[in-house]
Amino acid sequence: GAVVSQHPSRVICKSGTSVKIECRSLDFQATTMFWYRQFPKQSLMLMATSNEGSKATYEQGVEKDKFLINHASLTLSTLTVTSAHPEDSSFYICSVTEAYYGYTFGSGTRLTVV
Amino acid sequence: GQQLNQSPQSMFIQEGEDVSMNCTSSSIFNTWLWYKQDPGEGPVLLIALYKAGELTSNGRLTAQFGITRKDSFLNISASIPSDVGIYFCAGRSGNNNDMRFGAGTRLTVKP
Repeated sequence: GAVVSQHPSRVICKSGTSVKIECRSLDFQATTMFWYRQFPKQSLMLMATSNEGSKATYEQGVEKDKFLINHASLTLSTLTVTSAHPEDSSFYICSVTEAYYGYTFGSGTRLTVV
Repeated sequence: GQQLNQSPQSMFIQEGEDVSMNCTSSSIFNTWLWYKQDPGEGPVLLIALYKAGELTSNGRLTAQFGITRKDSFLNISASIPSDVGIYFCAGRSGNNNDMRFGAGTRLTVKP
């Protein structure tokens, strides 16, 4: 299956600042990538679908102005958490989808906002 | 996306015991997938099932695609401490982007 690299793995930022998370598909051209958020001891919650060359599709309740997604190439999607607050602290995971293997996930980013 | 009904939510077992977990849905799926997530990591694919009734093994893991296409189970035999983690089922219908996840089963293995 695809190899997905996510960076950084951990980030601590001050309240009010912005944080960018990168998701790279290393060996697969991904026209679509997905961004998830996971709270402790909970399942994955789909935040948005990132579409190469066009606007992302956000799930209901997810603020598009707060969680900016850019998918400028077939191998890179970025999620920027703008004006981060402590309640944005969470585990963020990206994934790509392949016809045969289903979803392949990145290793996740632990965001802590202090 | 919409979640599947996965049970149990958590399990506490002794090393060496067998484990069984399952997922059910009111919708029909073309593919069932089982993932494992270690703490602080993204989920990793364990087994993928593509046909109703299919039974597939991967080492000590065995999973089956229910004949009705609305359910799947995952069995782990002779559990070991490194089996600890969260196991997620996922179902996919015809569209690649239409993937739904279970809430996860948190497995704890006591040495």
